[in-house]
Amino acid sequence: KNEVEQSPQNLTAQEGEFITINCSYSVGISALHWLQQHPGGGIVSLFMLSSGKKKHGRLIATINIQEKHSSLHITASHPRDSAVYICAVGMLNYGGATNKLIFGTGTLLAVQP
Amino acid sequence: DVKVTQSSRYLVKRTGEKVFLECVQDMDHENMFWYRQDPGLGLRLIYFSYDVKMKEKGDIPEGYSVSREKKERFSLILESASTNQTSMYLCASSLSWGEKFFGPGTRLTVL
Repeated sequence: KNEVEQSPQNLTAQEGEFITINCSYSVGISALHWLQQHPGGGIVSLFMLSSGKKKHGRLIATINIQEKHSSLHITASHPRDSAVYICAVGMLNYGGATNKLIFGTGTLLAVQP
Repeated sequence: DVKVTQSSRYLVKRTGEKVFLECVQDMDHENMFWYRQDPGLGLRLIYFSYDVKMKEKGDIPEGYSVSREKKERFSLILESASTNQTSMYLCASSLSWGEKFFGPGTRLTVL
């Protein structure tokens, strides 16, 4: 079982729809990251959060530490949101936070006009 | 804006060649990372560096080495490229445990 699981793996939505991508993890973490990767492109960091909720434009990220679960929401989706969305968690070890990220395998989102 | 640049977007090499991938960041970050990304496997850490001349192995260091002679530059070296090293290579940098900034990636094909 992977330490970071994302669902769904693939998602097709119509423009304007509300989208949710989920991430569950099984290890102790220092923080959770949501990343965006456009086809052929590099990776952009969307959010880094360790509790609660963050909002940036049409994007909202939430995390529930007790349930080891995070969601990324996109409101009023647009074709330019089409990308791979990757969840990654920063590992903790006995010494505290580490530099190591464990990545999910990503969710491929296609928003159709 | 933080900028992380990589020396090539696409690279084609032959089996057995020595390959250098270079990464430069302009924000004085102490941490720099090399990942490879393969379909179905996600990103995996090859090496990271937390200071000049300091390095630590990641999850898949075999067949790779790294060099960090200056704070802004982190090089990944494939001593003798093999076909199973065909992949997308991504460099990243960060300040302490914070947000990571990624480069555009280098798609390496080893023939």
